[in-house]
Amino acid sequence: EAAVTQSPRSKVAVTGGKVTLSCHQTNNHDYMYWYRQDTGHGLRLIHYSYVADSTEKGDIPDGYKASRPSQENFSLILELASLSQTAVYFCASSDRDRGRSDYTFGSGTRLLVI
Amino acid sequence: GDSVTQMQGQVTLSEDDFLFINCTYSTTWYPTLFWYVQYPGEGPQLLLKVTTANNKGISRGFEATYDKRTTSFHLQKASVQESDSAVYYCVLGGGLGAKLTFGGGTRLTVRP
Repeated sequence: EAAVTQSPRSKVAVTGGKVTLSCHQTNNHDYMYWYRQDTGHGLRLIHYSYVADSTEKGDIPDGYKASRPSQENFSLILELASLSQTAVYFCASSDRDRGRSDYTFGSGTRLLVI
Repeated sequence: GDSVTQMQGQVTLSEDDFLFINCTYSTTWYPTLFWYVQYPGEGPQLLLKVTTANNKGISRGFEATYDKRTTSFHLQKASVQESDSAVYYCVLGGGLGAKLTFGGGTRLTVRP
């Protein structure tokens, strides 16, 4: 069954530390995305990628980097974690018909920065 | 840029009540409109998709329609069940940048 798998499911990080969130998809989709979820804000796009070895900035990219080493894998990197980055992070994938196809989301990574 | 406004943050109903959730959107593109549902501990999943071609979508007893004139779209269900308790997002797609724009979400609680 096609799926998007995120790891870890939850993480506690120290302010100023480096955090890497990982995402793996078996959907054979070209597009992958990282969203952030905060109460009352819905989901907001951080970075996305439409091909391996290339990433694009979304709506709220500041403080985040992304890496797409292969079609299946997409990582979100917080070089210097801050308290304001405490949130739930979702990875998603979609096929080439961007914006018109449904997305497949992972189950999320709950990040707490202390 | 694209935007979606979801007015109802929380809705509480009893089983067999009628559900109606409303959103408005703004975009310069021909939109594709989605409703996603999120259950506790899970990621959002697609519930319905509505395009400018068909104006309406139906799935699992839910019906979504959109009104181009007022740039609004709606989700309704005639008779909700306790299992429908979840967060519902209205979502705008179809523009540049390969992204979906989410509304703030409506938390539906259905009491038995």
